[in-house]
Parts: sequence; C-alpha cells; structure tokens
Amino acid sequence: DTGVSQNPRHKITKRGQNVTFRCDPISEHNRLYWYRQTLGQGPEFLTYFQNEAQLEKSRLLSDRFSAERPKGSFSTLEIQRTEQGDSAMYLCASSPSTPDTQYFGPGTRLTVL
Amino acid sequence: TQLLEQSPQFLSIQEGENLTVYCNSSSVFSSLQWYRQEPGEGPVLLVTVVTGGEVKKLKRLTFQFGDARKDSSLHITAAQPGDTGLYLCAGAYSGAGSYQLTFGKGTKLSVIP
Repeated sequence: DTGVSQNPRHKITKRGQNVTFRCDPISEHNRLYWYRQTLGQGPEFLTYFQNEAQLEKSRLLSDRFSAERPKGSFSTLEIQRTEQGDSAMYLCASSPSTPDTQYFGPGTRLTVL
Repeated sequence: TQLLEQSPQFLSIQEGENLTVYCNSSSVFSSLQWYRQEPGEGPVLLVTVVTGGEVKKLKRLTFQFGDARKDSSLHITAAQPGDTGLYLCAGAYSGAGSYQLTFGKGTKLSVIP
C-alpha cells in the first residue's frame, strides 16, 4: 500500500473554468476527508465521507464545490466556475474507523489565473 | 468556533540546539495529532495522542498531551537540518459529533547547519 494518492499534483486554470481532482485513499480506510490549505495557514476542513455517504460539509464549501465518493473508494472534488480565491492546495486524507488517525495525500496545487 | 493556537510561528535555530513548540486550545480535544509538512507536499503524520498526560517519544522528538487535554507540546532534542519543516498540530474536539480536524497555523522550523 503506497498511501493516499491525489491527481493531478498541479493544475493551472483560467477563471471561470471547471476543474476536477481525484483522491484514492488507503484501501481499507472507510473515511475520507477533503481539506484546503492556503499560504501561511493550516489546512481547513471542507467535507467528509463515511464510505459513500457525505456526512459533513463545511460552510467553506460553496455551491460551486461538489464532492463525490460513488463506490466508497476513490473520491472526486469538482470546482465549477473557478475564481482566483480558489487558488490553494487541496488535500485529501483517509482514516480507518478506529483509530481515527488521518493520513494525508500529497495534495493538488490549484492556481486560478 | 474552535480555535487552536500554535507558538512560536517561526523558529530558526542552530544544529544541535533543543526546541519546544506549543499547541493550545480553550476546548478539550478527544485526540490530537502532530504532522510535519514540507513545501508543496501533504502533511505527514508524526504522532497521535489521546490520553491526558500522555507522553510519546519518536527518536529525538517528545510529544506531551496536557492533563486536561487542552494543550500539547513537541520537544526536539539536538535538532538536525533534516528536522526543518512546518510542524502542524491538529485536534479533534470532544462532543463535536464531528471527525474533522482543526489545525493550527503551524510552526515553521529552520535548523541551520
């Protein structure tokens, strides 16, 4: 097992375009999380899945953001009509039910021009 | 809103010196995790502490969880240039009914050879 993987690692897009990121968690982990990190800040929680169910969403997750985990394995995070303020590192983490320790992927760096 | 404060924000020391980083909250944690993050990468888990008063050691790193589970510290003995990085503490809060982690802003450590 190589840990949590994320693709792409870097994405540059123009304002108004849609982007989609993928996260593959550690295989036996049923919990999956998305966080966003901007320069000089710690990661901020966006949303959480238990298997395929999205159980929690932060108020940071505007209507332009949608996340899915269709079969309880990989997850996608889509941002529609990107804005410059969306530029950040998007991090995915996974954890087993017990203990609830979260392991992070390498992140996707998004730059919106 | 849960707040988690880390201090100091920046630390620059000579190789061989000792240092301590602090993580404080006004609320009780159900668990607390320490991560180290390199530029452009995701956070890498160092340790999870769960029990008040708990002390864990990882080679030259010593982690302590406060008796009241509201604070934690990370002590590094004889720092090495390889210890350079951003140290993040992250807490899960008791009774929140949530599995999200709340992160501090981090301590950026530079160890000068």
